[in-house]
Amino acid sequence: QLQLQVSGPRLVKPSETLSLICTISGDSIRTSIYYWGWIRQPPEKSLEWIGNIYHSGSTHFNPSLESRVAMSVDTSKNQFSLTLSSVTAADTAVYYCARLNIDISHYHFDQWGQGTLVTVSS
Amino acid sequence: DILMTQSPLSLPVTPGEPASISCRSSQSLLHSNGDNYLNWYVKKPGQSPQLLIYLGSNRAPGVPDRFSGSGSGTYFTLKISRVEAEDVGIYYCMQALQIFTFGPGTKVDIK
Repeated sequence: QLQLQVSGPRLVKPSETLSLICTISGDSIRTSIYYWGWIRQPPEKSLEWIGNIYHSGSTHFNPSLESRVAMSVDTSKNQFSLTLSSVTAADTAVYYCARLNIDISHYHFDQWGQGTLVTVSS
Repeated sequence: DILMTQSPLSLPVTPGEPASISCRSSQSLLHSNGDNYLNWYVKKPGQSPQLLIYLGSNRAPGVPDRFSGSGSGTYFTLKISRVEAEDVGIYYCMQALQIFTFGPGTKVDIK
């Protein structure tokens, strides 16, 4: 049974960098039909896709965040990570990691982690 | 960018009665392979979003058959044939044709 666990600081100061790690259990990050993604939800707003990464390191980012986002994978630890630089209060949100199924006749986020609230405040 | 809209934004429902949510996209979500790249999710209170329907009309594993998805191009519908109390939550459509964008959500609660 797949589990996705988000870890990282819950409070980040404005202008600093937000860093989160998603640890995968119950599946391998190297599974060929999956990308791994980050999605966030600011308070009282809808969901916003941040980006995806493949186990090879190939990435796709939301153009609205691309200049501030980076993602990486650590296949030895079965983890992938998100960094978001120069944060402001607008980056306060619940951050989810999720598995993206790219198999034929699929293409959807099929499993989500529990989400973690990250607050940007001094 | 493909913009997504949903209606209604709030939907009070009576258990046992049907319910329907509409989703529109600013561009067609019909891929050249014949699939509509439109997925439905529900976020129940205190939980992470869960996949209900993928590629317009395919129920995800474990999703009750009272949920169905239909539509093509720019107009899609999620239907619940008989609402149950456990269906309370916020329902989102999401397009996956050009990157990913979500609708604003439809809050379903019990009358």
